[in-house]
Amino acid sequence: EVQLVQSGAEVKKPGESLQISCKASGYSFTSGYWIAWLRQMPGKGLEWIGIIYPADSDTRYSPSFQGQVTISADKSISTAYLQWGSLKASDSAIYYCARPILMIRGVPDAFAFWGQGTMVTVSS
Amino acid sequence: QSALTQPPSASGSPGQSVTISCTGTSSDVGGYSYVSWYQQHPGTAPKLMIYDVSKRPSGVPDRFSGSKSANTASLTVSGLQAEDEADYYCSSYAGSNTLVFGGGTKLTVL
Repeated sequence: EVQLVQSGAEVKKPGESLQISCKASGYSFTSGYWIAWLRQMPGKGLEWIGIIYPADSDTRYSPSFQGQVTISADKSISTAYLQWGSLKASDSAIYYCARPILMIRGVPDAFAFWGQGTMVTVSS
Repeated sequence: QSALTQPPSASGSPGQSVTISCTGTSSDVGGYSYVSWYQQHPGTAPKLMIYDVSKRPSGVPDRFSGSKSANTASLTVSGLQAEDEADYYCSSYAGSNTLVFGGGTKLTVL
């Protein structure tokens, strides 16, 4: 059974750094599957942040999030990460990792498997 | 403002059918056959219900169906059940290294 288990909720101050994680199990992390990150701001819809291919760390970002966050992966522990260097209050949201069914020219098609979400709160 | 436009709400009585629309442009919905629909209950992660316009993942009831005409995609839920009450989001491949989503539709089962 494919499972994506995310790290717990975080409360941070503006300007602090943060890394959240997504541990995959139930499939081969490095065999043909990408892992994406998405954002859902309070009471709002979903936004695609970016995606990584853990086998070689090939990473693509949505133009809206390029330069704002960093996506990485450690294939030795089947874990993907989303990282901020300096948080802003507007980064407060629930962040999901998800595995797409397939990729279309470097962009995920549809997300079949989801993590449970990590709530990030940034407040002074 | 979301890239794809969905009605904020929809409703129907048990057993009825309801259709939720998702309107984009020729650069996303109208240009590709990569429209997906997600169901999200409060406090839970989204669940994929339809992908590639009309394909159903394993385990999704055939009461859920998808279609597309020009720049508008649609999700139809037939034989409404209480557990169908949730938020529904559409998404579409939009070329240029991006994937866009709708703002969501809250489906109420009366």
